[in-house]
Amino acid sequence: EVQLVQSGAEVKKPGESLKISCKGSGYSFTSYWIGWVRQMPGKGLEWMGIIYPGDSDTRYSPSFQGQVTISADKSISTAYLQWSSLKASDTAMYYCVRQGDPDYWGQGTLVTVSS
Amino acid sequence: NFMLTQPHSVSESPGKTVTISCTRSSGSIASNYVQWYQQRPGSSPTTVIYEDNQRPSGVPDRFSGSIDSSSNSASLTISGLKTEDEADYYCQSYDSSNWVFGGGTKLTVL
Repeated sequence: EVQLVQSGAEVKKPGESLKISCKGSGYSFTSYWIGWVRQMPGKGLEWMGIIYPGDSDTRYSPSFQGQVTISADKSISTAYLQWSSLKASDTAMYYCVRQGDPDYWGQGTLVTVSS
Repeated sequence: NFMLTQPHSVSESPGKTVTISCTRSSGSIASNYVQWYQQRPGSSPTTVIYEDNQRPSGVPDRFSGSIDSSSNSASLTISGLKTEDEADYYCQSYDSSNWVFGGGTKLTVL
């Protein structure tokens, strides 16, 4: 069974750094793209970027380029989304998605940024 | 770059059929596969249709997808509506390697 298990909810202050994770299982982790999607409170889905763990090829949405970093460690079948300096406007639910026939979604990680 | 436009909301009665549209602003709807995701309140999205009209295992055949080149749109049709179908539905397609989401449609089953 394909599963994507994300790390737990985070509460951070503006300016702090953060790295959240997404562990894949039940499939060949290096053979499928994994994307990240933001959902702000009460809003729709926004695509942030995507990584191919097999060779770490990474693409970013223009809206998120330079704002976040996407990475993966194929030795532990885990993808990451990180921020170097959080803002209050980063408060949202973040989902990882395995792309492909069909897409599988993680359970989401709620990130709250508040002073 | 293109946009995917969905109706903000639709409503229908249990047992009826509803269709949710997803119109592509530029470029052909047929040039990239369309996916549909269901998001129930408080839950993460799940895929109900992929590659325009394919159903993942476990998704009932009440759910179907199609594309229409004449209107440059994709559609999600749900027949025999059940109260459990009440959710937000998002279409998604690709622009090169970028994902594009529609704004979402809130389906109310009343």
